[in-house]
Amino acid sequence: QSVLTQPPSASGTPGQRVTISCSGSSSNIGSNTVNWYQQLPGTAPKLLIYSNNQRPSGVPDRFSGSKSGTSASLAISGLQSEDEADYYCATWDDSLNGWVFGGGTKMTVL
Amino acid sequence: EVQLVESGGGLVKPGESLRLSCAASGFTFSSYNMNWVRQAPGKGLEWVSSISSGGTYIYYADSVKGRFTISRDNAKNSLSLQLSSLRAEDTAVYYCARQRQYSTSSGSWFDPWGQGTLVTVSS
Repeated sequence: QSVLTQPPSASGTPGQRVTISCSGSSSNIGSNTVNWYQQLPGTAPKLLIYSNNQRPSGVPDRFSGSKSGTSASLAISGLQSEDEADYYCATWDDSLNGWVFGGGTKMTVL
Repeated sequence: EVQLVESGGGLVKPGESLRLSCAASGFTFSSYNMNWVRQAPGKGLEWVSSISSGGTYIYYADSVKGRFTISRDNAKNSLSLQLSSLRAEDTAVYYCARQRQYSTSSGSWFDPWGQGTLVTVSS
């Protein structure tokens, strides 16, 4: 059971806008910034969004992040086939004194 | 180019020990906190341990506390994880990851990640 809650799966057709939610509590998302990681099949995770809504260089602006209260979300606009991957949210938890991840969301492009 | 390369994984029996290493290059290793994150087969990511840039501050997930020990050698640009009293549930790919932050208010994040090393615990 992950500390952060994500839907196990999401899907969309090419060009569609899809969102992935990440729900936490006051000790994690409510108190700290949220990061998102993308894991393509058979590869290591890669940073996708940091500090709630910042994109590292090289990440397309189709990807965006937001946070409100104890929840965060990742949006992918103009969905592409190469976006098929697992997506994880993560943040620091002040009560656990450790990093916590969501269970991951598998994105399928139909 | 910033690079992290893990090594040391393998097949061990329950109760045995293993030492993982992560070789860092392309950045000033001694300036960054470092982390280990693992992923069981077909499962999600689980943070394992963190160590501050100078080695003073160390944190562990409850699932490994008392069994795993994180350490670093800044002179050798190397991060290690000593795994002891291994259990079947410790079977996973273990990734090392650099922790970055711009300021106290920006929070921090993991970037980049190594390619991972597989640890299999089975009799």
